This record gives sequence, C-alpha cells and structure tokens, in this order.
Amino acid sequence: LAKTTQPISMDSYEGQEVNITCSHNNIATNDYITWYQQFPSQGPRFIIQGYKTKVTNEVASLFIPADRKSSTLSLPRVSLSDTAVYYCLVGYYTGTASKLTFGTGTRLQVTL
Amino acid sequence: GAVVSQHPSRVICKSGTSVKIECRSLDFQATTMFWYRQFPKQSLMLMATSNEGSKATYEQGVEKDKFLINHASLTLSTLTVTSAHPEDSSFYICSASTPVGMNTEAFFGQGTRLTVV
Repeated sequence: LAKTTQPISMDSYEGQEVNITCSHNNIATNDYITWYQQFPSQGPRFIIQGYKTKVTNEVASLFIPADRKSSTLSLPRVSLSDTAVYYCLVGYYTGTASKLTFGTGTRLQVTL
Repeated sequence: GAVVSQHPSRVICKSGTSVKIECRSLDFQATTMFWYRQFPKQSLMLMATSNEGSKATYEQGVEKDKFLINHASLTLSTLTVTSAHPEDSSFYICSASTPVGMNTEAFFGQGTRLTVV
C-alpha cells in the first residue's frame, strides 16, 4: 500500500479556499486516491475519490497531476464546521474490499 | 451512501470484564469488514480484517485472543475486548466496503468510545 505524506496541521479563516496537498510517490497503477473527513469522536466520512486529472462534487474538488505522485484536496469557502482532520488514502480494488491504511492526516482549524 | 452502524457508541466497563462491540451494514452485504483503533489525537490504526464465515486476519502486534472478532453474517461483525484493562481504553471504529465501479468505497461506523476503569 502506498505511503502518504500530508501536512500535520493547517489554519484558515472562514470563507477562504483551503488546499491540502498529499504526497504519494510510490502510488501503483491500480491505486485510487480517496479523501476522508473526521470530526472528534466520529468515524471518518467519505469526501471524494479520484484516479487522475480533476474530480469535483458538491463539497470539494480533487486535483491529481499527470504523474499521480501527489493530489490536492480543495475545499471552497470553508466554514467553522469544516474544522476536522482530513485523511488522504491510496488504495486499490481487490475484488471484494480494499484495506485502507490511514496516514497522519491534516488537522484543519477554521476560525472567524 | 451506504450506512454502517456501530453499537454501543459509548461504554464504560470495569477492568477484567469483556466488552462486545457490534458493527452492522444496514443496506448492503459486506463480506469483509475492518476494525480500527484510534487513540486521542492519533490516526486510525487497522487492527484486523473480518471475513464472513472465516477467521479474522489480524495486523502485526494485535493480540487475536484479546480482540475476538466474529463475522457470522454478511451484515454483522462483532469485536469483543476480553479481560479489558485501562490501556485498552480507546475509540474503536469499524468499516465496510462496497464496490463502486472499479474501486471500492469504504463506509465507517460512528465509532465506540471504550473506557476501562
């Protein structure tokens, strides 16, 4: 499983765009990139998943360069409620389930 | 999205007793579920992979006799912490995956806060 590296923490003001970058230099051909959000005392919640280029959904965008050795989660106009830990995971489809290994995550603190 | 439910959400037990945590996939069948443990301000650590109808696969360093996992049906996996001690106090989280196209998306339970006194 590819190892991921993210900043330990980030700070932002409400209303700003936040970009969290994750490095995964040894990503394999079959690996997908998935981001999860976790609030204190709750299980992680799926945010977005991608393989290459750009993916956008109602809450975030995911940018993946051509070499796929990194990815950037973009959160537009963050609010106080976006304060959480964000995990970048790299894994692949095994046929029935993917074993996910969590890295350190990025603790995002949003303030007024 | 798919729903994974854990019960209880919080439990306090005396040292030496056993505690069972249930993980259910409510709207899909999960042949494989995963159990994680998370200490305060740390990341999730995979403990074991629970396979329906067979023995669980434990990660290195996780005692299989202390953390008993049973996956009796396609929608239920249980984790029993036997002879619990204060150092077992932690946040336990289960997850289950369902195929989405060519990849899988994992869904997590809400977690169980175990406190051993």
